[in-house]
Amino acid sequence: AQKITQTQPGMFVQEKEAVTLDCTYDTSDPSYGLFWYKQPSSGEMIFLIYQGSYDQQNATEGRYSLNFQKARKSANLVISASQLGDSAMYFCAMRERFNNAGKSTFGDGTTLTVKP
Amino acid sequence: DSGVTQTPKHLITATGQRVTLRCSPRSGDLSVYWYQQSLDQGLQFLIQYYNGEERAKGNILERFSAQQFPDLHSELNLSSLELGDSALYFCASSVGLEDDQPQHFGDGTRLSIL
Repeated sequence: AQKITQTQPGMFVQEKEAVTLDCTYDTSDPSYGLFWYKQPSSGEMIFLIYQGSYDQQNATEGRYSLNFQKARKSANLVISASQLGDSAMYFCAMRERFNNAGKSTFGDGTTLTVKP
Repeated sequence: DSGVTQTPKHLITATGQRVTLRCSPRSGDLSVYWYQQSLDQGLQFLIQYYNGEERAKGNILERFSAQQFPDLHSELNLSSLELGDSALYFCASSVGLEDDQPQHFGDGTRLSIL
């Protein structure tokens, strides 16, 4: 079964607008971490934001915030005030503390295109 | 700059050959991970080492092997290469084993099999 599902293969957003990239996950582990990474066309993988399963508040890092809904098992990435440089592939990932300890599972990614 | 160094950046070789990819983790990181990214398979976890010991294994072929040395750098060895092994290979590192620690990725080694 797919542990991380990103249902949007591609998304478009107008510059300066906000965009939400969806991520749902599946785990029975009581403790896990959720991560978002950005991969520009140049290929490198850049860590953006982290949310722990026990965190009460949604994580924020500058223009990035994570809309964490534990009961729905969703961890959507919100990018505010989109910039042209945000055009990239975005991956959602999960690490479980007890199940599959040490492994990270990545979704298939969402390609975001920011339009001027 | 993530602090993770991978060499070489590009590698072109032929089927049946053997190559070694090298990774130096961020200073202070004890865990090293290897991933394969291809168009049809996405980002696949291969293997993890922690402080020199194999910690977790993913979808790593028997033709592939890895190790982490006492100075914490790691090497991924790919042998009997096939066309399907063409991919971007990432190394990542993290401080330890905790699930709340992000992995920091190197720029990858792009392997092309001709």
